[in-house]
Amino acid sequence: KQEVTQIPAALSVPEGENLVLNCSFTDSAIYNLQWFRQDPGKGLTSLLLIQSSQREQTSGRLNASLDKSSGRSTLYIAASQPGDSATYLCAVPGYSSASKIIFGSGTRLSIRP
Amino acid sequence: NAGVTQTPKFRVLKTGQSMTLLCAQDMNHEYMYWYRQDPGMGLRLIHYSVGEGTTAKGEVPDGYNVSRLKKQNFLLGLESAAPSQTSVYFCASTNRGGTPDTQYFGPGTRLTVL
Repeated sequence: KQEVTQIPAALSVPEGENLVLNCSFTDSAIYNLQWFRQDPGKGLTSLLLIQSSQREQTSGRLNASLDKSSGRSTLYIAASQPGDSATYLCAVPGYSSASKIIFGSGTRLSIRP
Repeated sequence: NAGVTQTPKFRVLKTGQSMTLLCAQDMNHEYMYWYRQDPGMGLRLIHYSVGEGTTAKGEVPDGYNVSRLKKQNFLLGLESAAPSQTSVYFCASTNRGGTPDTQYFGPGTRLTVL
């Protein structure tokens, strides 16, 4: 059974710092991995999707990496801004059925001005 | 193009009451999903649908029923609400499901069962 873990549950850093969010998964046979952002009281917005054949994806100040063999992904945020404050979730499709997606519980990020 | 919309946004029920949550998408997506989100537990899949007229169980289907009579709509029903069903419910859709297309989420429905 695929399990997705995100540690830490919460993180607070001063504005301008670079930071890394972590995601680990138990079954390395994944099709892809997605990172989402969730603002308080809102739905989820997709940030990056990494295919299983890729090592990383970049979008602006965001860079996501994927290491299937170790069951890990990281989301790197460069030059953090207060507007980056949100909860970040990673998700992978369930191996037994590509229709299901398994989410981590998220990391709540706070950027201090 | 409204994306994924959910109705209602908020609802308070008494134990034993029933209700239906409506999800609508205008992107012609095949796959639709219902999740619940509880503090510290992330999102858990309740039911999903891979096309009009089809439904399947997710991780936590007990106490819920769903229907997909039209491709653009996915309904989630609670026949007899329980306090354990107090949660935020999210609907999502995707073009092919799983990979490689991403999921698009609605804004959520906050349900409280007293």
